[in-house]
Amino acid sequence: DIQMTQSPPSLSASVGDRVTITCQASQDIRNYLNWYQQKPGKAPKLLIYDASNLQTGVPSRFSGSGSGTDFTFTISSLQPEDIATYYCQQYESLLTFGPGTKVDIK
Amino acid sequence: EVQLVESGGGLVQPGRSLRLSCAASGFTFDDYAMHWVRQAPGKGLEWLSSINWNSGSIGYADSVKGRFTISRDSAKNSLYLQMNSLSTEDTALYYCAKDSGYYDKRLDYWGQGILVTVSS
Repeated sequence: DIQMTQSPPSLSASVGDRVTITCQASQDIRNYLNWYQQKPGKAPKLLIYDASNLQTGVPSRFSGSGSGTDFTFTISSLQPEDIATYYCQQYESLLTFGPGTKVDIK
Repeated sequence: EVQLVESGGGLVQPGRSLRLSCAASGFTFDDYAMHWVRQAPGKGLEWLSSINWNSGSIGYADSVKGRFTISRDSAKNSLYLQMNSLSTEDTALYYCAKDSGYYDKRLDYWGQGILVTVSS
């Protein structure tokens, strides 16, 4: 089974800051990685697919990169509405979610 | 507008069974794979099972393999999850999610979830 790790588990940043989250797979998953945002009490929302493609309607301050085992998710300028937990998800073999990174405002 | 509405949750005793349903609307159900994902209280997302557009490809997480069965009914535009031998560790909010294609494994729409509580 493919295991996913994320770091950091949580972070606090100021409005306007650049925020970066990393996701690592236990084996090569090519670019078979998606990113989701889950706000408190809400269902997850797809933000990035295939490691770097922005889902339709998602603001351009969100971006993703990486391939193989190491991936990065970035918010270029943190906004108050970005307070959420972010999950990576691999689909090279079945599906596995990362443990999540909780983002809040400092 | 895509809508996914889960039902069938509730309180169930350990060892018993429960069947979840997900009513889909706003898209051509037969053209998309579907998925079940759960979230235990205060925890992260856990993928459970997927079924492709024609039920020809099905997958399960190890944690539920042999206990849970996914299925779909195109006549009713519905997805199901039969859950047997439930334990307290199955207590969670259960989401159904639509795939972005036949089996892209990209979950582009989610229901609001249905709570399953396993307790004596």
